[in-house]
Amino acid sequence: DAGVTQSPTHLIKTRGQQVTLRCSPKSGHDTVSWYQQALGQGPQFIFQYYEEEERQRGNFPDRFSGHQFPNYSSELNVNALLLGDSALYLCASSLSTFEAFFGQGTRLTVV
Amino acid sequence: AQKVTQAQTEISVVEKEDVTLDCVYETRDTTYYLFWYKQPPSGELVFLIRRNSFDEQNEISGRYSWNFQKSTSSFNFTITASQVVDSAVYFCALSEWGNQGGKLIFGQGTELSVKP
Repeated sequence: DAGVTQSPTHLIKTRGQQVTLRCSPKSGHDTVSWYQQALGQGPQFIFQYYEEEERQRGNFPDRFSGHQFPNYSSELNVNALLLGDSALYLCASSLSTFEAFFGQGTRLTVV
Repeated sequence: AQKVTQAQTEISVVEKEDVTLDCVYETRDTTYYLFWYKQPPSGELVFLIRRNSFDEQNEISGRYSWNFQKSTSSFNFTITASQVVDSAVYFCALSEWGNQGGKLIFGQGTELSVKP
């Protein structure tokens, strides 16, 4: 049974560009959450998707947007990248309100 | 507002020593969940334990034990007879009741280094 998978594992982008990160949830899970983890910090909640709708959102600007597909997979899009967006982006999946399982993350570097 | 504080940024111990990682939290909710996660260098957050706020019973799992004290808003984690494989960053987290799969509020993390 595959766990939460994220792609790509590493990514380098230039300031001002746009990026899309992808997440496939653990089998049977219908809810996906995204977190940003800056170096040396704890993960910060970006938003959560359930039934293809954004259910909760953290304190992140509108440059951060997402999508959930009918197969429950999800994308995180970040527009107009800033140097400060460099971080590890973690995806977590859960079955509705039950315990979340995390993927290994996508390391984004903005230069 | 909800907040989790892990005052210990880094801890270094020698193998077989016992080590306690501190976690203090703030919330106005009367019911909530508390978690501990381990993050090895690979990056994935590995779930260790979840506690419900109304269950203050201490828990032991092998070399791991957890001390939850609601009166002091603390949820401390002890590793007995530490091993090199325990080296990782450990996070304490808080979530609202009824939605443990939802928004998690994480502390800053404690980096544990266990030397042979």
